[in-house]
Amino acid sequence: EVQLVESGGGLVQPGGSLRLSCAASGFTLGSHWMTWVRQVPGKGLEWVANIRKDGTTIYYVDSVKGRFTISRDNARNSVYLQMNSLRAEDTAVYYCARDANYYDGSFYYDVFDVWGQGTMVTVSS
Amino acid sequence: IQMTQSPSSLSASVGDRVTITCRASQGIRNDLSWYQQKPGKAPKLLIYATSILQGGVPSRFSGSGSGTDFTLTVSSLQPEDFATYYCLQDYLYPRTFGQGTRVEIK
Repeated sequence: EVQLVESGGGLVQPGGSLRLSCAASGFTLGSHWMTWVRQVPGKGLEWVANIRKDGTTIYYVDSVKGRFTISRDNARNSVYLQMNSLRAEDTAVYYCARDANYYDGSFYYDVFDVWGQGTMVTVSS
Repeated sequence: IQMTQSPSSLSASVGDRVTITCRASQGIRNDLSWYQQKPGKAPKLLIYATSILQGGVPSRFSGSGSGTDFTLTVSSLQPEDFATYYCLQDYLYPRTFGQGTRVEIK
């Protein structure tokens, strides 16, 4: 079964750090870009970061640049999100998602076809 | 790129035809996807590249548009379709979602 399972969420004080993990199974992780998306409870979705199949290219949303680091270990079938200098506004459910990357012969398209169940991060004193 | 969905919410009955609009603040070619989310669950991919239906998604869902204006249409709303829908542009980084459209039972 193709599956993603996030872990590592919890309660942390402002300024603290957490490392989220996303364990992949049922498919070859190294064949896919991977993405983190977050959602403040009761609010909308926010794209956070993604990482190329081999880890050589990474993008972030501006609000986390310099504080969050996405990484991956294809041999361990895992993707990570290291979150430092956490703020109250980082409180959210964090989802990892697989990008199936559709190519129509001219352009590539993001296709977030598999999602984890999410892990809750609460930043509060 | 800012993505603006309309309406923010709507009430509809089973069997209704429902259309949700997503407008981009600049042209995004056809680099747009749609996701459905139910309470307490992860989003689910419905459509990508504006109009390509993800495998296993019922054919009552369809997408159209190009440039800045896009639509998601549900031809005949079913009980399991009551959820929140999000558009997502993947033309430029950072990727951005619309604010969501909540579809409720009338």
